[in-house]
Amino acid sequence: GAVVSQHPSRVICKSGTSVKIECRSLDFQATTMFWYRQFPKKSLMLMATSNEGSKATYEQGVEKDKFLINHASLTLSTLTVTSAHPEDSSFYICSARDPLHEQFFGPGTRLTVL
Amino acid sequence: GQQVMQIPQYQHVQEGEDFTTYCNSSTTLSNIQWYKQRPGGHPVFLIQLVKSGEVKKQKRLTFQFGEAKKNSSLHITATQTTDVGTYFCAGHYRGSTLGRLYFGRGTQLTVWP
Repeated sequence: GAVVSQHPSRVICKSGTSVKIECRSLDFQATTMFWYRQFPKKSLMLMATSNEGSKATYEQGVEKDKFLINHASLTLSTLTVTSAHPEDSSFYICSARDPLHEQFFGPGTRLTVL
Repeated sequence: GQQVMQIPQYQHVQEGEDFTTYCNSSTTLSNIQWYKQRPGGHPVFLIQLVKSGEVKKQKRLTFQFGEAKKNSSLHITATQTTDVGTYFCAGHYRGSTLGRLYFGRGTQLTVWP
């Protein structure tokens, strides 16, 4: 199946710093990518839909100024957690939808904010 | 609103026993997908069901989509320790953002040897 990569897989940062997470579709073009957040033993919570060449669509309750999303190309979307705080610590997962409508998830990024 | 409910939240079985998880939506789904997430891993796509009453099998896994396209189930026959993980259903609704999935809360399966 299609491959979606995420980088970094794990990041530890100090409170107040910004962290950028990259999501790439390696063997297909994705006009739409999705960013999820998952708390331990919980379901995936959709944060935003990333659209190539246009602004992201954020879910209710997600601060767009805090979670900046950029979908600069058909194979790359980035999520920047600005001024991170300990409560932002979580597992962030992206997914991309291939032309056959299957959705493939990246391996996730575990963010720990000290 | 558009919401997918999934039960049970947890299931503990002895190896060899069967396992079933159920998903339900109050409104009609255009399709439903199932994912498996191993501990520490990310969700991996298992299957997509599109047609009313559809039944698909993958070895010991049987997936069903209800006639009204509002419910779905995943049944595992004779569980093995390799089946351990959390199983999520995710529904897609007509008119929603293309590709936007509504996830159930997942069923965490534990299999005792």
